[in-house]
Amino acid sequence: QQQVKQSPQSLIVQKGGISIINCAYENTAFDYFPWYQQFPGKGPALLIAIRPDVSEKKEGRFTISFNKSAKQFSLHIMDSQPGDSATYFCAASFKAAGNKLTFGGGTRVLVKP
Amino acid sequence: DAGVTQSPTHLIKTRGQQVTLRCSPISGHKSVSWYQQVLGQGPQFIFQYYEKEERGRGNFPDRFSARQFPNYSSELNVNALLLGDSALYLCASSSGQATGNTIYFGEGSWLTVV
Repeated sequence: QQQVKQSPQSLIVQKGGISIINCAYENTAFDYFPWYQQFPGKGPALLIAIRPDVSEKKEGRFTISFNKSAKQFSLHIMDSQPGDSATYFCAASFKAAGNKLTFGGGTRVLVKP
Repeated sequence: DAGVTQSPTHLIKTRGQQVTLRCSPISGHKSVSWYQQVLGQGPQFIFQYYEKEERGRGNFPDRFSARQFPNYSSELNVNALLLGDSALYLCASSSGQATGNTIYFGEGSWLTVV
């Protein structure tokens, strides 16, 4: 059972544009929502994370928006750069599950110069 | 400081064989988790160990087993390999097991079963 659904599967954006990736979850016990960035041949690296008690978190060009009632959260990459070309995964976990992360299916982002 | 290190980086095995993958967590981290990432998909949780005890297990058959050593390094064993076990196996470490502790991933071990 896929508990975290991610869309789109891929997207192409021009340099300087905005990339938007969406995730929806089912388990209301989830209380931690990180985003990971993965380059080819590398392991995932934590990009930014949010807890459900805030609706938005911004770190540099990356912003997470969180809608608890809709059980959805999204990643916005502002001023996208070619170096942002990677696969992005949303994930979720909850207290009773410790460090267990449930990942979405991933979004391949290509930023064209 | 060294990150999460995994070995081997690549390996090819034959169906029915057994494989052992190794992981050294970041110094000071006591929690180690294993994930399987099939090409084109998100990582799937296999095991978590904390203070040398299994603290969580994903929906994987008993052919998969793991252990954590006193120095907090870990091994993942897979017996009776199937073609479908071909994947990137990721090890992750964190300082504790509470949610919100940053989880750091290694670069993974690529397993190909032929």
